[in-house]
Amino acid sequence: KAGVTQTPRYLIKTRGQQVTLSCSPISGHRSVSWYQQTPGQGLQFLFEYFSETQRNKGNFPGRFSGRQFSNSRSEMNVSTLELGDSALYLCASSSTGISGANVLTFGAGSRLTVL
Amino acid sequence: AQKVTQAQTEISVVEKEDVTLDCVYETRDTTYYLFWYKQPPSGELVFLIRRNSFDEQNEISGRYSWNFQKSTSSFNFTITASQVVDSAVYFCALSEAGPGAGSYQLTFGKGTKLSVIP
Repeated sequence: KAGVTQTPRYLIKTRGQQVTLSCSPISGHRSVSWYQQTPGQGLQFLFEYFSETQRNKGNFPGRFSGRQFSNSRSEMNVSTLELGDSALYLCASSSTGISGANVLTFGAGSRLTVL
Repeated sequence: AQKVTQAQTEISVVEKEDVTLDCVYETRDTTYYLFWYKQPPSGELVFLIRRNSFDEQNEISGRYSWNFQKSTSSFNFTITASQVVDSAVYFCALSEAGPGAGSYQLTFGKGTKLSVIP
């Protein structure tokens, strides 16, 4: 059974550019979450989608956005990149739609470096 | 608002020693879930255990054991007879079951980096 696949694994951008990251969940999983991991702030929740609907959003500026497609694949976009956006972006999927009980399966992450 | 504190930033032990990783949490919800995840150098978070707020039974899985105490809001993780392969960053996390702002998300502690020295 294939795991959570994130692409690209590594990317380098410059300030002001925008970036789109992709996540393919485990087959059959309808919930997809995104987290940002940095040395200073640790792991922080970005947003969660279930059946193409965003159910919760973390405390991030509007430059961070996401969406989920009908096949449960998800993308997140960061516009007008800042140096502080350099981070490991982790996607996770789960099979249930139940709040709280979800066991998340994480992908290997997309490491974004902003110069 | 929910919060998870892992006071130990880094721990080093010699192989075969036992080690306990501490986790203290805060939440106003009466129904919540606690998790431990492991992050090896490859970066992928690996699920270890989930506990709900109504189940205070300790759990043992091989060399791993977990002690959940609601009275002290703690969910500690012990590795017995540590091995080099246990070297990783370990995260404790909390998820609330309610419909509020804490739903559908994990709140992570800052993690404890465990180094097991051969």
